[in-house]
Parts: sequence; structure tokens; C-alpha cells
Amino acid sequence: GQQVMQIPQYQHVQEGEDFTTYCNSSTTLSNIQWYKQRPGGHPVFLIQLVKSGEVKKQKRLTFQFGEAKKNSSLHITATQTTDVGTYFCAGPPNTGFQKLVFGTGTRLLVSP
Amino acid sequence: EAQVTQNPRYLITVTGKKLTVTCSQNMNHEYMSWYRQDPGLGLRQIYYSMNVEVTDKGDVPEGYKVSRKEKRNFPLILESPSPNQTSLYFCASRDRDSPRELFFGEGSRLTVL
Repeated sequence: GQQVMQIPQYQHVQEGEDFTTYCNSSTTLSNIQWYKQRPGGHPVFLIQLVKSGEVKKQKRLTFQFGEAKKNSSLHITATQTTDVGTYFCAGPPNTGFQKLVFGTGTRLLVSP
Repeated sequence: EAQVTQNPRYLITVTGKKLTVTCSQNMNHEYMSWYRQDPGLGLRQIYYSMNVEVTDKGDVPEGYKVSRKEKRNFPLILESPSPNQTSLYFCASRDRDSPRELFFGEGSRLTVL
């Protein structure tokens, strides 16, 4: 079945440093979504990318969808303590939207 | 306020004692789904439902049952819980035909002794 891996599994940075998490799927995705889960909270939708090679920005966050639609990345510029949490990518296979498969997640810790 | 509500939020139970985790959403969403979250494994789909009386298995359905008798409710049933079902469970919903965001409940932390 479809597998979605994320690296790194965990990263600890100093406030102000940049951070990147990478998402790799074993199969082509029709789109990619990113979610953020604060400690003790539930996943919250951040963004969706649909087109091959698409890049979207939300303030300090930059999201990219690979040309082959099998990988994606999330880059945070100048991290802040409010960025702490686990970031998940998720994507449905080209066969349909009902099985949204989540990545393994990257846990980010930011020290002041 | 648009929300997905799960109950109970926390539960400690013993092996073999049937339990139900309820999930209700007030957004008139057709699609609902259950996930379990375990360290290092991310969120894995247990069951999903495209509409009333329509349910299907996700990636890890063993040991679970679901029902969808009403559009707003999607309970998760553990007929005979076992320790390997100790996990954090999330219910989620979205519009059926919109490949966009899932709205998650607050989560239910289940411990099976």
C-alpha cells in the first residue's frame, strides 16, 4: 500500500534558525496537504498543493510540491517558539480522495 | 461554532471490556474518518465513511467496528479491546467531494490494561 515517510523524525532548533521537513510518498499523489499538531492538540490544516512543482507561502512558511508529485517540503524561515509542534504531510493517491494517507510526522522543538 | 466532538477524551479500560468512542460533527459533512496516532507511525486510518450507511476499511481496521446511521455521528466500537489498541484516536470530517482539509476532533486517549 501507499506509504508516506517524513524526515527528519525530530528536530530541535534555536529560535531564529530555519527548519525544513521533507515528505516522500511511495506513489504519485493527486494533491498534498500539510497539517500542524501542537503538543497535546489535534492536527490542524495548513495548506493544500495540487499542481506539479507548485510553491505556496504563508508568512514564514514555504510549501513545495515536487515535479513528480511524489514528494513535498515545508520550510520555516526564522523559527519562533510558536512553531513548536508536529508537522504532517498527507496525500490521497491518484485513485481517489477517500484514503488520505498521513506521513510519519516531524516533531519540531524551538528553544528561545 | 463548527466542530468535531469526541467522547470520552480519556479512558482507561481493561482487556475485553467493550467500549465505544463517539464522534459527532455539526458541519453537515458527508465524509467522516477515524485515525489512530502512535509514536513514529503518524496517523493511520482505521475506517472511513463516505455517507450514511456507507463505511469502508482504512489501513488498520482489525479489532474495530464503526457505524454510520446518521450523517452527524460516526462511533468507533472496540468489541474486545486489547493492549495493542492503546493509542490516541482522532475522528475527522470533511465535505465528501472536496479534496480539502480534514477537520479533526480533540482526540481520545485510550489505555487498555
